Amino acid sequence: NAGVTQTPKFQVLKTGQSMTLQCAQDMNHNSMYWYRQDPGMGLRLIYYSASEGTTDKGEVPNGYNVSRLNKREFSLRLESAAPSQTSVYFCASRTRRSFQFTDTQYFGPGTRLTVL
Amino acid sequence: GIQVEQSPPDLILQEGANSTLRCNFSDSVNNLQWFHQNPWGQLINLFYIPSGTKQNGRLSATTVATERYSLLYISSSQTTDSGVYFCAVGLPGGSEKLVFGKGTKLTVNP
Repeated sequence: NAGVTQTPKFQVLKTGQSMTLQCAQDMNHNSMYWYRQDPGMGLRLIYYSASEGTTDKGEVPNGYNVSRLNKREFSLRLESAAPSQTSVYFCASRTRRSFQFTDTQYFGPGTRLTVL
Repeated sequence: GIQVEQSPPDLILQEGANSTLRCNFSDSVNNLQWFHQNPWGQLINLFYIPSGTKQNGRLSATTVATERYSLLYISSSQTTDSGVYFCAVGLPGGSEKLVFGKGTKLTVNP
């Protein structure tokens, strides 16, 4: 299993350009997430999808849109990039088994985005 | 919203030393997880520990939910333990959201 994959790994944009970050998981998880990580800030939730066909805002959704294309794929779109969106973006999927008392998020390798 | 505070922010150890990392949270939670981010950026889940104690090799974690804190213990530290350790909490009500602390950066020197 590849786990959670993200593309691209690195991207440089100019202010105002748009792009889509791709994420896919092969673990058959229902829940998927997009986070951003800024220096000294920990991870902050942008959007999440609890199941195929549903999406909800997280802590910092402004300037982003998401699409849950199917159970495997969850994409993040920047319509008009701004320097404040320079960050490392992580996608994650989640497995939760109440009867086994487990709850685990699996993270992709991240996308390092710079907006000039 | 809920506040998650981790301490210390930075920790430097010699290989073989033990350490304790702390996570305080400001409200009741139904989910608490510890993660390790290695120096190359990869995030790995260490524990799901909303209450009680768990151990995995040299690592163990304890959460005292009634007092709103969790501790991560690392014994006989190795250079591969270096990185940033994050605590993340989820709110009651089945919320999908995890709120992360700012992390503890651990450096283990040989």
